[in-house]
Amino acid sequence: SYELTQPLSVSVALGQTAIIPCEGDYIRSKNVHWYQQKPGQAPVLVIYRDSIRPSAFPERFSGSNSGNTATLTISRAQAGDEADYYCQVWDSTTVVFGGGTKLTVL
Amino acid sequence: EVQLVESGGGLVQPGGSLRLSCAATGFTFSSYWMAWVRQAPGKGLEWVANIKQDGSEMYHVGSGRGRFTISRDNAKNSLYLQVNSLRAEDTAMYYCARVNLGIYFEYWGQGTPVTVSS
Repeated sequence: SYELTQPLSVSVALGQTAIIPCEGDYIRSKNVHWYQQKPGQAPVLVIYRDSIRPSAFPERFSGSNSGNTATLTISRAQAGDEADYYCQVWDSTTVVFGGGTKLTVL
Repeated sequence: EVQLVESGGGLVQPGGSLRLSCAATGFTFSSYWMAWVRQAPGKGLEWVANIKQDGSEMYHVGSGRGRFTISRDNAKNSLYLQVNSLRAEDTAMYYCARVNLGIYFEYWGQGTPVTVSS
């Protein structure tokens, strides 16, 4: 079965750039989607089809997908960006989520 | 405004059953695939099942196959998840989500909690 690997945690200084990777075999051949989840809340879609950003999210959020790694990049990180972030793909007939990355803004 | 409201969760004994429901408003329900996703306490997201617009295709996670059944009633704009033979490891928040082309979850409900314990 297909697997997605994310680091458990990523830290970023306030105002700097956070990079959250999502690794999977030949992931570049798949559409990768990202979700933000804050404590006690439902997940929210933050990037879809690798790099498309819903209008509710600012341009500071961007995505890319190349080789075996998809990446969520958060520029000029703010305290309000602290959350868990999950990548997700569709593989054959199965939805696969990464294990999630906790972003801490220092 | 798209709204998804889950209900039907609760405390159930091991081996028991529940029927979770999701009421959808604000969009043409019959035009979208729908899904259930769950999250155990302190854990990550786990996809449970998807169902096609007319209910003719369904996909379930391996661990739920045979125990979980997704269904829908387009006349009632409602999505369901029948969960049988519940185990402690099924304890989770169960979310209803609308599926978009490319198979991603554009809208989520607030979830309904299921606790399996004696």
